[in-house]
Amino acid sequence: DIQMTQSPSSLSASVGDRITITCRASQSISNYLNWYQQKPGTAPKILIYGASSLESGVPSRFSGSGSGTDFTLTISNLQPEDFATYFCQQSYNAPRTFGQGTKVEIK
Amino acid sequence: QVQLQESGPGLVKPSQTLSLTCTVSGGSISSDASWWTWIRQPAGKGPEWIGRVYATGTTGSTSYYSNPSLKSRLTISLDTSENQFSLQLTSVSAADTAVYYCARQLSSGRRDYFDSWGQGTLVTVSS
Repeated sequence: DIQMTQSPSSLSASVGDRITITCRASQSISNYLNWYQQKPGTAPKILIYGASSLESGVPSRFSGSGSGTDFTLTISNLQPEDFATYFCQQSYNAPRTFGQGTKVEIK
Repeated sequence: QVQLQESGPGLVKPSQTLSLTCTVSGGSISSDASWWTWIRQPAGKGPEWIGRVYATGTTGSTSYYSNPSLKSRLTISLDTSENQFSLQLTSVSAADTAVYYCARQLSSGRRDYFDSWGQGTLVTVSS
């Protein structure tokens, strides 16, 4: 199985900040990397697919980059509704695997 | 937009079988480029992909793939007449306690992700 490792596991930030979350795959996955946002008590929601493509309806302050084994999710101008947990997920092969999550909290 | 809804018991005794059903509305479960998937998430942890099932609209055949870590205990089936798919996990233990989600996996080139999810159902394994 491909292991997905996120860092940091949590971070504190303020409204208006720019933050970056990192995801590393245990082997090359080309750009088969997705990012999800999850709020308490709800299912994950797709934000970014194919490492850098923004899902329809997702604000442009979210962006993704990377290929191979190293990927980043950047949120610029952090908004109150962005405080949540973020997961990366590889779609390179089965079984699909997720990172352990990064919790973004209000400073 | 397709909608999914899980149903099933919230409490299962150790060594028994966990059974859940996902009802799909707003679209056909036989549509192409869609894998119907089960995912679970233990409290405070990342999601774990359980397995997926696929139906072909013309022949009615199905195929499924399961997480190797669960393969010996897992069955995923699909009922096109009811627009539902189901999960059965045998010989459960406390380690199977989690929120269980059903989801649709789009699979078309780079567009390969879980785009629609059920609300999730908490299953607790306890005597």
